[in-house]
Amino acid sequence: GAVVSQHPSWVICKSGTSVKIECRSLDFQATTMFWYRQFPKQSLMLMATSNEGSKATYEQGVEKDKFLINHASLTLSTLTVTSAHPEDSSFYICSPLTGSTDTQYFGPGTRLTVL
Amino acid sequence: ELKVEQNPLFLSMQEGKNYTIYCNYSTTSDRLYWYRQDPGKSLESLFVLLSNGAVKQEGRLMASLDTKARLSTLHITAAVHDLSATYFCAVGTSGTYKYIFGTGTRLKVLA
Repeated sequence: GAVVSQHPSWVICKSGTSVKIECRSLDFQATTMFWYRQFPKQSLMLMATSNEGSKATYEQGVEKDKFLINHASLTLSTLTVTSAHPEDSSFYICSPLTGSTDTQYFGPGTRLTVL
Repeated sequence: ELKVEQNPLFLSMQEGKNYTIYCNYSTTSDRLYWYRQDPGKSLESLFVLLSNGAVKQEGRLMASLDTKARLSTLHITAAVHDLSATYFCAVGTSGTYKYIFGTGTRLKVLA
């Protein structure tokens, strides 16, 4: 199966700082990456879809200027939470599109806590 | 707009008992997934169901899909403590690669 890594696993930052989360596909090339957010004890919500070499597509209600997504290569997509606030504290999970509908793979997640 | 609901949201059951989790969705879809999530962890893929009447089984878990009723079930047989986790269904939106996740069912199996 596809191997996906995320870095960091967890991060604690002060309010107003920016945090970058990296998602790497280790054994395949991902032209598309989905980014999800999961608040405690809630379901996963799709935030945006990133495409290699082009602009990301954001879901309704997600601020594109706050959640900057870059998909510079076929193995790396990044999500930057700019000027983070406590309400941005969440579990962020990436999921690459592999081209197969049989299985959807997920990164291990990044837990962000904003103080 | 595709909406996905799971029932129940919370489930506490004794070891050895059987139970079913339901996943209803609102519009036509061509694929449905079941996932398990342990506390603090990411998602583990359990099943993918791609056609009406599809049934898949792994150990004590069995998933089925009725596309006409827009319903999938995850049946737990003779539950054991290790099955304690949160279970999500996710439904694919036709014509895209997007998935909408259900509300999740938090299962606790009591010894």
